[in-house]
Amino acid sequence: AQSVTQLGSHVSVSEGALVLLRCNYSSSVPPYLFWYVQYPNQGLQLLLKYTTGATLVKGINGFEAEFKKSETSFHLTKPSAHMSDAAEYFCAVMGAQKLVFGQGTRLTINP
Amino acid sequence: EAGVAQSPRYKIIEKRQSVAFWCNPISGHATLYWYQQILGQGPKLLIQFQNNGVVDDSQLPKDRFSAERLKGVDSTLKIQPAKLEDSAVYLCASSLDGKGEKLFFGSGTQLSVL
Repeated sequence: AQSVTQLGSHVSVSEGALVLLRCNYSSSVPPYLFWYVQYPNQGLQLLLKYTTGATLVKGINGFEAEFKKSETSFHLTKPSAHMSDAAEYFCAVMGAQKLVFGQGTRLTINP
Repeated sequence: EAGVAQSPRYKIIEKRQSVAFWCNPISGHATLYWYQQILGQGPKLLIQFQNNGVVDDSQLPKDRFSAERLKGVDSTLKIQPAKLEDSAVYLCASSLDGKGEKLFFGSGTQLSVL
């Protein structure tokens, strides 16, 4: 069965600093991988996804993620954090046509 | 376009009571999902509908949870009787084709069981 593990339940960075949120996956077949963001009191919103093709995927709000098969990773990055990036971020893998989510990483931005 | 609508936004009940949640997906979306999100955890799929048929309900506690999607549009999720551990946010999502590549989520219903 497919699964994802997010390393770090809470990440704190300064405004303007690099954002790095870590995700490792387990899958017996080529995975489809996703990052979703959840702002306070809102539903989840798709940031980006990897299905096939280019391993570096660009998403909304300046985020990107790189699929590394050798490391079974799909880490999310943003070069320069903004206060509006404060939210909960979820990595997910699609298996048997259903999404399996990680436990989430809460991103805090310090002024 | 209108998003996924859910109601109520908040619900507080006592254990052993019953509760129902409603979801109206995006128009034209064939697939509807109910997720349970316990505080500090990622969403867990409870049930997936394709039109008005159930595709996956393997993680639905069927002794107390039920869901229906009559006419293949809106859906209700019911808990009867509720337990303390049912306290969570219940998220509804929909997708166009059921392939799971892009889900659109509602804002959720936050349930507190006392």
